[in-house]
Amino acid sequence: AQSVTQLGSHVSVSEGALVLLRCNYSSSVPPYLFWYVQYPNQGLQLLLKYTSAATLVKGINGFEAEFKKSETSFHLTKPSAHMSDAAEYFCAVSGPGNQFYFGTGTSLTVIP
Amino acid sequence: DADVTQTPRNRITKTGKRIMLECSQTKGHDRMYWYRQDPGLGLRLIYYSFDVKDINKGEISDGYSVSRQAQAKFSLSLESAIPNQTALYFCATSDGIQGSTDTQYFGPGTRLTVL
Repeated sequence: AQSVTQLGSHVSVSEGALVLLRCNYSSSVPPYLFWYVQYPNQGLQLLLKYTSAATLVKGINGFEAEFKKSETSFHLTKPSAHMSDAAEYFCAVSGPGNQFYFGTGTSLTVIP
Repeated sequence: DADVTQTPRNRITKTGKRIMLECSQTKGHDRMYWYRQDPGLGLRLIYYSFDVKDINKGEISDGYSVSRQAQAKFSLSLESAIPNQTALYFCATSDGIQGSTDTQYFGPGTRLTVL
């Protein structure tokens, strides 16, 4: 069965600091992994996705994630946080029947 | 104009009432999904449809039903609403071309409160 676990429901960083949001996956087959972002009062939008083409995936707004099979992880990073990055972030994995399974989300606060 | 729209955006109803949430899309996608979002639980799949004649139950379909009236429209119904169905509901679409690596496009959500 496919699932993802996001460690830390709330993360706070100072503006300009490194952003690190953690996601670990469980999958019986090679996984396809996603990060989505949800800004206040909006739907989710795709940040990036891992499709096995490259382990380091670059997304929008300066975010990137690295697929590490040995650690079953797909952590999201950004070198320098901006106030506009404040949002909720969801990790997701695709499963049988092309269903998608989402994590519980991490709320990112950026402190000026 | 938004590619994926949901109506209503907010709804308050009473226990036992029937309610329908509607989703429309102009993206021309075959695949449509309904999710609910609860604090601390993330998004959970209720139903999904890969085309007009293909409807499938998701993780938490009990108490819900759906109708795919056309490629562009996918409605979610609560036949007899109960308080624990209070949640934020999202519709999403994907083109199905990449299958397991499809990007999903989400609507703005419907906030439903059942008293």
